[in-house]
Formats: sequence, C-alpha cells, structure tokens
Amino acid sequence: DTAVSQTPKYLVTQMGNDKSIKCEQNLGHDTMYWYKQDSKKFLKIMFSYNNKELIINETVPNRFSPKSPDKAHLNLHINSLELGDSAVYFCASSQGLAGANEQYFGPGTRLTVT
Amino acid sequence: AQKITQTQPGMFVQEKEAVTLDCTYDTSDQSYGLFWYKQPSSGEMIFLIYQGSYDEQNATEGRYSLNFQKARKSANLVISASQLGDSAMYFCALAGGTSYGKLTFGQGTILTVHP
Repeated sequence: DTAVSQTPKYLVTQMGNDKSIKCEQNLGHDTMYWYKQDSKKFLKIMFSYNNKELIINETVPNRFSPKSPDKAHLNLHINSLELGDSAVYFCASSQGLAGANEQYFGPGTRLTVT
Repeated sequence: AQKITQTQPGMFVQEKEAVTLDCTYDTSDQSYGLFWYKQPSSGEMIFLIYQGSYDEQNATEGRYSLNFQKARKSANLVISASQLGDSAMYFCALAGGTSYGKLTFGQGTILTVHP
C-alpha cells in the first residue's frame, strides 16, 4: 500500500508544452509539499499546502502552479516548459507544520524537457 | 535563515565498519528538528532518523544514531556495521520551528560501502 504516490514516474516533453504531475497520499496527513531535485542532486522546496491552503511559496516561476483539491492530493501544473525545468520533482506529506514532523516522500517524477 | 552544510561529497567505508557522515547547521529558531534521509540509486527518499533541538538524548534507530552537539551546531549521522545496501546518497535536513515544516537540505554525501 503506497503511502505517497506520484504520477507519472517519468515525463519527457518538448519545450513550450504544459504538463501536470499528480500526487496522492493515503496517510491522513494534512500537509503536502513539492520539492525539486536538480541535476546536482540538490533538493529545494517549492510549495507546501496545509489543509488545502498554500503555506509556502518559494521563489518559483509563476509558470508553476500547485493545486490542492483536497488534503490527500497536491498536483503541480507547469506551463511553457523550459529546458531548465528538467529535474526530479518529489511530493511529500507530513502531519502538521511543526519542524518535528517527519516528511514522507513519494517516489519522484523525473521530468525531461527537450 | 536556515542553512545546512555537508562537507563530505563522498565517503568510503569497509563492510561491517562504522562510518560518520558530517552535518552542520545554522538557524535562528530555538526549536527545530534535524533529519537524515537516504537516497539509493533507485531515487526514492527514505527517512532514517530525527533529532529535536530539545531532545536531551541522541536519537538512535537500529544501526543509525545521530551525534547531536547543539553548541557546535552539528548533527552527524553514525552508521554502525555498514552493509553493502547502505551505499547511497545521504542528506541532512533542517526544519526550523518557524519554517512551517519546510525542510532545508544539505548538499548530500555519497557513501560507498566496499566488501
């Protein structure tokens, strides 16, 4: 039973296209996150939602738009894809916003923009 | 601002020996949490261990222990009795009490276990 799932696992697309990545968690958590891992393996937070409300919005191009239809889902839509968007995108979830709470990560979505 | 530094890009260890992966941090929060994650070549992020800033004892989880030295702002991961399956990238991460759960990650350390 997968705790945090993401679809698709791999995404290859051309510059200028629009694409979405879906994330679902079945842990009953109220907080979900998107992280980006670049080619040098550096991980950086992009967004977080708590009870469907946007809490963290790091310096991310506005071509990236998260959507949380309910507490169990957090999707990431990317418009006008650029070469620099190629990365692995991880969804994560936790209970609450406290620094003490472990975050469970999804398997990642490898996005390749050609 | 939160900052995490992992100064060892790569580490090597013989199977069955212990290894320490270094992590130093900086935060202005009084309450914070420190995490270690493992990322094998398959790519997933696996939670290993957590240390709270007010925890008096060092955290342990099986073969993993966290050497927490608050005054030095260090949170080193110790892996005892290394196994071949421990070969992976290891990330130290910090969540400050005012960061709303945001994890700030270090650059990572690639651990290679030799037979």
